[in-house]
Amino acid sequence: EAGVAQSPRYKIIEKRQSVAFWCNPISGHATLYWYQQILGQGPKLLIQFQNNGVVDDSQLPKDRFSAERLKGVDSTLKIQPAKLEDSAVYLCASSLTSGFGETQYFGPGTRLLVL
Amino acid sequence: EDQVTQSPEALRLQEGESSSLNCSYTVSGLRGLFWYRQDPGKGPEFLFTLYSAGEEKEKERLKATLTKKESFLHITAPKPEDSATYLCAVQDYNNNDMRFGAGTRLTVKP
Repeated sequence: EAGVAQSPRYKIIEKRQSVAFWCNPISGHATLYWYQQILGQGPKLLIQFQNNGVVDDSQLPKDRFSAERLKGVDSTLKIQPAKLEDSAVYLCASSLTSGFGETQYFGPGTRLLVL
Repeated sequence: EDQVTQSPEALRLQEGESSSLNCSYTVSGLRGLFWYRQDPGKGPEFLFTLYSAGEEKEKERLKATLTKKESFLHITAPKPEDSATYLCAVQDYNNNDMRFGAGTRLTVKP
């Protein structure tokens, strides 16, 4: 079974530029998550989708971050404009459902460096 | 607010030297406690889910246990390939998200 796919794996941009990350979840998984992991910290949830609807985006900085999951499959996370503090690994995860104790499976992440 | 604290931050062991990692948590109602392993440059890899106090799960040299306030990840006779960061996360009934600790960075020397 193929895992969660993410691209690009690495991205270096200057502050105030925009950037987009792509995620393809495990086939059949209805729930998709985007996390931000700053060096030395655990992942922090940015947004959760159930199919193509947003379940939770309470921790997404909406003035600069946006995300979509058209057709309920793959998803794109965008940052515009980027700030220095956005330097982090952006992890995508998916789970079969959003049910009780459902296991989340993570992709390899996109490492973003903002200069 | 949910809180997850992992200790120690870093642990260095000799091959074969057993030890335990700690995850202390505060939640209003535990939905599940998760352990993940993360290798450098990779995403977290699922290890265990524990749902209620007293529950235990094992996988090879790893054993996870759960009480009402903390979870332990016991590593028996570790090998160098067990070197990684071990992350603990909790999910409660009031939130959709999974709240992660900062992790314990384990190094096993041959």
